[in-house]
Amino acid sequence: QQQVKQSPQSLIVQKGGIPIINCAYENTAFDYFPWYQQFPGKGPALLIAIRPDVSEKKEGRFTISFNKSAKQFSLHIMDSQPGDSATYFCAARMKGTSYGKLTFGQGTILTVHP
Amino acid sequence: DGGITQSPKYLFRKEGQNVTLSCEQNLNHDAMYWYRQDPGQGLRLIYYSQIVNDFQKGDIAEGYSVSREKKESFPLTVTSAQKNPTAFYLCASRGGRANTGELFFGEGSRLTVL
Repeated sequence: QQQVKQSPQSLIVQKGGIPIINCAYENTAFDYFPWYQQFPGKGPALLIAIRPDVSEKKEGRFTISFNKSAKQFSLHIMDSQPGDSATYFCAARMKGTSYGKLTFGQGTILTVHP
Repeated sequence: DGGITQSPKYLFRKEGQNVTLSCEQNLNHDAMYWYRQDPGQGLRLIYYSQIVNDFQKGDIAEGYSVSREKKESFPLTVTSAQKNPTAFYLCASRGGRANTGELFFGEGSRLTVL
């Protein structure tokens, strides 16, 4: 019940395409949903985050769509660039716990071809 | 520059040996975390500390130990009791005036058990 399921495992798009990464959860006690981006050999870095009272959040070319009733959320990358090639993780935090105590999805390796 | 410093970057250990991974931060953050990353499994929380001299077990604490004697430091010991210690270990911190929930990660330590 504490799992966050992420798909696809890997994704290849051409430059300018719009990759979409999906996450689903079961536990309705989750109340904070961040996405982290990780480049090879580096630690993850926060990309964008959303709370369940909002259906969409945009930051630059990155958008989170949130469907509370379906318990799903997704990351869209507009006008993708080769520099966006990285591993992306969705995550969730249980209400009332530390914001750093996250349950992560399995990760998606994104490759953007020039 | 402020950040998280993990050392060593690469470590090889023989079976039956304990090994300690260092994590230092100069961000003046109160909370620190240790995550383990395995291919296809995302990140899993080992231990976390929200304040000096206090720490809690995460989801996979068995075979690991930590200490938090100083605000800046949160070392992780991988003991011989950890059955499958080969992994990429990530330290993170959170806090500051904004306290947005963002985790700041180090660049990781890759442990290989021979």
